[in-house]
Amino acid sequence: SAVISQKPSRDICQRGTSLTIQCQVDSQVTMMFWYRQQPGQSLTLIATANQGSEATYESGFVIDKFPISRPNLTFSTLTVSNMSPEDSSIYLCSVTRYNEQFFGPGTRLTVL
Amino acid sequence: GDSVTQMEGPVTLSEEAFLTINCTYTATGYPSLFWYVQYPGEGLQLLLKATKADDKGSNKGFEATYRKETTSFHLEKGSVQVSDSAVYFCALSEATGANNLFFGTGTRLTVIP
Repeated sequence: SAVISQKPSRDICQRGTSLTIQCQVDSQVTMMFWYRQQPGQSLTLIATANQGSEATYESGFVIDKFPISRPNLTFSTLTVSNMSPEDSSIYLCSVTRYNEQFFGPGTRLTVL
Repeated sequence: GDSVTQMEGPVTLSEEAFLTINCTYTATGYPSLFWYVQYPGEGLQLLLKATKADDKGSNKGFEATYRKETTSFHLEKGSVQVSDSAVYFCALSEATGANNLFFGTGTRLTVIP
């Protein structure tokens, strides 16, 4: 298995501000993924983060709104910029190992 | 595009009842199929998977069979326990490496004693 931690576990933020979510994995992985789970909805992939290159964003998500860093093979950050109440969601990072995808515990974000 | 349609919840069952959570999919190729479970206060965990047609995934008494003819991957358990109370997600991936998963909306199961 993979041990994945995320910080913060939850936060309440004011609209117009930004929040950076950290994801730490217990060993090196090539790809890390960021998902969003809006209230009552399924998980949606935001972007794939490879070390040493720019993240690849899915349709509907842009780098200016969700900048991602991947400084090494065990760590990544996702920033939710200029937040609005519609950004209230659970944000999860995940990694693939041995053909299985493992998920972090998630960051529950509430934007007022 | 790829998508997963999952039976809506919530589902409430008595202990030892039979469980079925329906899941159907749309995919252009030959996807791998997964069931994930999220217990209260915990992260998503892989419950079982199947990578080709007619494969049966099983774990912890849960089973699901990959049915290409009906594009389905229904989750079943013969006798549920209170500890099975959780949210269950059906998902697919076009690659066997489980990259870029497409998830259903999740089904909340509550098992009462």
